[in-house]
This record gives sequence, C-alpha cells and structure tokens, in this order.
Amino acid sequence: EDQVTQSPEALRLQEGESSSLNCSYTVSGLRGLFWYRQDPGKGPEFLFTLYSAGEEKEKERLKATLTKKESFLHITAPKPEDSATYLCAPVGPGGSYIPTFGRGTSLIVHP
Amino acid sequence: EAQVTQNPRYLITVTGKKLTVTCSQNMNHEYMSWYRQDPGLGLRQIYYSMNVEVTDKGDVPEGYKVSRKEKRNFPLILESPSPNQTSLYFCASSNGYEQYFGPGTRLTVT
Repeated sequence: EDQVTQSPEALRLQEGESSSLNCSYTVSGLRGLFWYRQDPGKGPEFLFTLYSAGEEKEKERLKATLTKKESFLHITAPKPEDSATYLCAPVGPGGSYIPTFGRGTSLIVHP
Repeated sequence: EAQVTQNPRYLITVTGKKLTVTCSQNMNHEYMSWYRQDPGLGLRQIYYSMNVEVTDKGDVPEGYKVSRKEKRNFPLILESPSPNQTSLYFCASSNGYEQYFGPGTRLTVT
C-alpha cells in the first residue's frame, strides 16, 4: 500500500527564517509528485509537479526537490503570507492518475 | 478563467434526505475526482473518473455515488446521508500534469 508521511506536522518560523518541509513516500513506480498549499477552509492550491529524481522547481520563495524516496519543499526567507498547510501527493503507476495525499505540514510564519 | 466550481458551498441537511453536490470544470480535463477532508485524517479520495462514463472507487466510497455523463461535470450524490458524512468535500480536475481543486462544500448532516 502506498504510504506518504510529511514532517514536521507543524512548524513555526520567524519571518525570514528559512526551513524545509519533508515528504517521504513509499510509492513504487512513481509517476509524479504534487505539492499544494492549503489555506483554512479553502481548496488546495496547486504549486508544483515533480516527475523524476533530481528535478527541482521554484516559485517565488518556494523550491521543491525530489529524490527516489522523498521530496523537500524549501522555503527561503518566508513571510507571514506563506502561512498555510502544505500538502504533498505522490502518484503511483496504473491507468489512473490519482494522487495519494499526505497529512500535511502546518506552517506559521510570525512577523 | 480556468476553474473548478462546486455548488452548494454550504449545506445543512437531515439524515436520509438525498442530496447532490455539483462539480464543473472549464479546463477540458479528463480526470476528475472527489475528496473529503476531516480533521486529523487529511484528504481522502471518494471516487474518481478517468473520462466520460468511466468512474471508479477511491479510498472511502461507501455511501456515495457519482456519474460522469459529460466531460465537464462530475456530481457527487448522497442517496441517504448520515451524520458520519458531515465533512468538507472537494472536487478536483486534472490533465495528468496538474490538478486543480474546487473551493469546497461544507456539508453538515444532522
């Protein structure tokens, strides 16, 4: 069974204090891995798709990387508006293209 | 504007009263799915569809039905809602490379 573990569950940072979120997965035959941002009570907002080990993608203060066993979301010099829950979701093989979601990391950035 | 829409956004109903939550996307995506999100449990997939007339069960399909008669629409049907189906529901669509979510429907079953 596919497993996805995100750590830490919660993270508090000061504005400008860079850090990384981890997503470990045991999906065999990975076809891709999604990263999302979710604000309370709202739908997840798509950030990135990574397809192969070694791939990196960036968007503003966020950079996502992928290895064969895990993915990292690096947040550089975060601002309070980066506060949200960040979700990762790997996609396994098969005819469907449906991701399995981790529980998320709740990030709070203090001014 | 590319988007996934859901209606209603909020719904309070009683046990056993059939309801339908609509979902529509304007991106011509083949893949659509429904999720429920509960505190401490994260996002769990209810049903998904790979194309018109092609649907399959996700992780928690019991008590739900779906249909995909048109590419853009993917309604979620609760034939006889029960209190344990009180949750926040999300519809999503994907082209296989990116997945976009709707704004959510908060359902309360009393």
